[in-house]
Amino acid sequence: DIVMTQSPDSLTMSLGERATINCKSSQNVLFNTNRLNYLAWYQQKPGQPPKLLIYWASTRETGVPDRFSGSGSGTDFTLTISSLQAEDVAVYYCQQYYSPPLTFGGGTKVEIK
Amino acid sequence: EVQLLQSGGGLEQPGGSLRLSCAASGFTLSEYALTWVRQAPGKGLEWVSSISVSGDITYYADSVRGRFTISRDNSKNTLSLQMRSLRAEDTAVYHCARARRRETAVVVDAFDIWGQGTMVTVSS
Repeated sequence: DIVMTQSPDSLTMSLGERATINCKSSQNVLFNTNRLNYLAWYQQKPGQPPKLLIYWASTRETGVPDRFSGSGSGTDFTLTISSLQAEDVAVYYCQQYYSPPLTFGGGTKVEIK
Repeated sequence: EVQLLQSGGGLEQPGGSLRLSCAASGFTLSEYALTWVRQAPGKGLEWVSSISVSGDITYYADSVRGRFTISRDNSKNTLSLQMRSLRAEDTAVYHCARARRRETAVVVDAFDIWGQGTMVTVSS
């Protein structure tokens, strides 16, 4: 199984600051045939289902603000919120869909200072 | 509006059975692979099971294999999860989710549409 490890567990930042969340996979999730990383990022607010933010490691889902960006390849990935807004308070998860069993990171809780 | 509407769930005793259902609104469910994901109270997301467009390919997490059965009825636009031999550790909110890519060959994927979730509590 591919283990997804996120860091940090929580993040407290001021409004307007840059937030960075890391995700490391225990195996490569880059598919050599199409050169795509099978890695997604989700945002989950209390009492709501997760919302897809990023897929293919760096492609923003339709309607997601451009302050959210994804980067990385192979086994190391990053979700960046360029200027933290109040509505970004949530838990963020990475997920690999390279092969079943699909696995999620443990989550990173983002709060405002 | 494109959405997944869930039903089922509730309180069941250890060893009992429950069935969850998920219906599509605003899109044709039969065109997408589907998945169940659960979240225990205060915990993270855990993938449970996925099913292909035609229903001929299914995957299960080790924790539920042999006890849970995923199925779909494309004629009725519905997805189901039959849960048997329930354990306390199955207590969670269960979400159905749609694969982002509308491709027949896709079984596992990122998930762009999620059901609102239904609570399953296993307790005596």
